[in-house]
Amino acid sequence: DQQVKQNSPSLSVQEGRISILNCDYTNSMFDYFLWYKKYPAEGPTFLISISSIKDKNEDGRFTVFLNKSAKHLSLHIVPSQPGDSAVYFCAASYQAGTALIFGKGTTLSVSS
Amino acid sequence: EAGVAQSPRYKIIEKRQSVAFWCNPISGHATLYWYQQILGQGPKLLIQFQNNGVVDDSQLPKDRFSAERLKGVDSTLKIQPAKLEDSAVYLCASSLGENSPLHFGNGTRLTVT
Repeated sequence: DQQVKQNSPSLSVQEGRISILNCDYTNSMFDYFLWYKKYPAEGPTFLISISSIKDKNEDGRFTVFLNKSAKHLSLHIVPSQPGDSAVYFCAASYQAGTALIFGKGTTLSVSS
Repeated sequence: EAGVAQSPRYKIIEKRQSVAFWCNPISGHATLYWYQQILGQGPKLLIQFQNNGVVDDSQLPKDRFSAERLKGVDSTLKIQPAKLEDSAVYLCASSLGENSPLHFGNGTRLTVT
């Protein structure tokens, strides 16, 4: 049973526009959420995180929003750039110090 | 800072053979993880170490997989005997501790024929 779900396998966006990647989770005990970006033949790279006590965290072009009542989080990339083309994984942990549980990923393609 | 180092990058073996992967975490990172990523899936935890002690190995197929982290630094993951379904990328990650991001190595791509 998947506890972290990324229901969109792929997303295509034009350069300069906003990219919105979505993630749903089922375990209300999750308290720490992260987004990772992965290029081919490389390991996942940490992008941005958010604690369950917040509803928004921003870092440059990247913003993560958390809606605990809906058990939903999203990653906004503004403006999107061709170099953002990669697989994006949503991940969560439900107890401090425990390992991350990952979604299946969403492939983002940004065209110029 | 130097990242997480893994070797080899690629490995091809026949089923029933054995294989070992090596990981050197970021200096000072007490927590080390091994993840398995099957094509089209997200990474799945195999085992988590805190220093040289095992924190979570509930998803490690212990009849064929083993892992150790001697001296609380480097770690090895072994599969013996390998099955076709073990074909995957094996990722090592390390972190400073609670609610700290995991830093991943580039992984070892294993193909079992």
